[in-house]
Amino acid sequence: AQSVTQLDSQVPVFEEAPVELRCNYSSSVSVYLFWYVQYPNQGLQLLLKYLSGSTLVKGINGFEAEFNKSQTSFHLRKPSVHISDTAEYFCASWNFNKFYFGSGTKLNVKP
Amino acid sequence: EADIYQTPRYLVIGTGKKITLECSQTMGHDKMYWYQQDPGMELHLIHYSYGVNSTEKGDLSSESTVSRIRTEHFPLTLESARPSHTSQYLCASSPIVTGGETQYFGPGTRLLVL
Repeated sequence: AQSVTQLDSQVPVFEEAPVELRCNYSSSVSVYLFWYVQYPNQGLQLLLKYLSGSTLVKGINGFEAEFNKSQTSFHLRKPSVHISDTAEYFCASWNFNKFYFGSGTKLNVKP
Repeated sequence: EADIYQTPRYLVIGTGKKITLECSQTMGHDKMYWYQQDPGMELHLIHYSYGVNSTEKGDLSSESTVSRIRTEHFPLTLESARPSHTSQYLCASSPIVTGGETQYFGPGTRLLVL
């Protein structure tokens, strides 16, 4: 069965520090991977996606993610976070015509 | 920027009432979805549609129904609301492509059933 695991439910970090949000997927076949961000009282907004090609994917707001097939991971990173990055982040995979979402990671950026 | 709209954004209603959550998209996407989202949980797919006159049940058992009479419109109806229906409901749409679809989400409807 397909699944997406986000290892951290909450990540506190100080402003201007780097951050990594972890995501692991389970799949025995090709998979397409996504990161979405959800700000309070809003829907999900696409940050970035990996469909094929370069394993390092750059997204909006300075975020990037690296697809690692051997470790079945798709971790999200940002070298320097802002207060405005405080939100919940969801990792997702698409395979066999279906989306699978992780349970989300709440990023709390402190001044 | 995705153009997908949900109304109402917030709804407080009594047990036993019939409600319809509206979702519309202007992108011409064939596929549309309804998810239920509870705090700290993954999104649960409750209904989806491949196009006009197509509706399918998702993974989460739901007492709701959907219809797809027009491409742009995918309303969700609860015939008799119960407190267990209290949640956030997210609508999404995507084009049908080969090799990885991207879903675009609406802002959500927060439902509170008293």
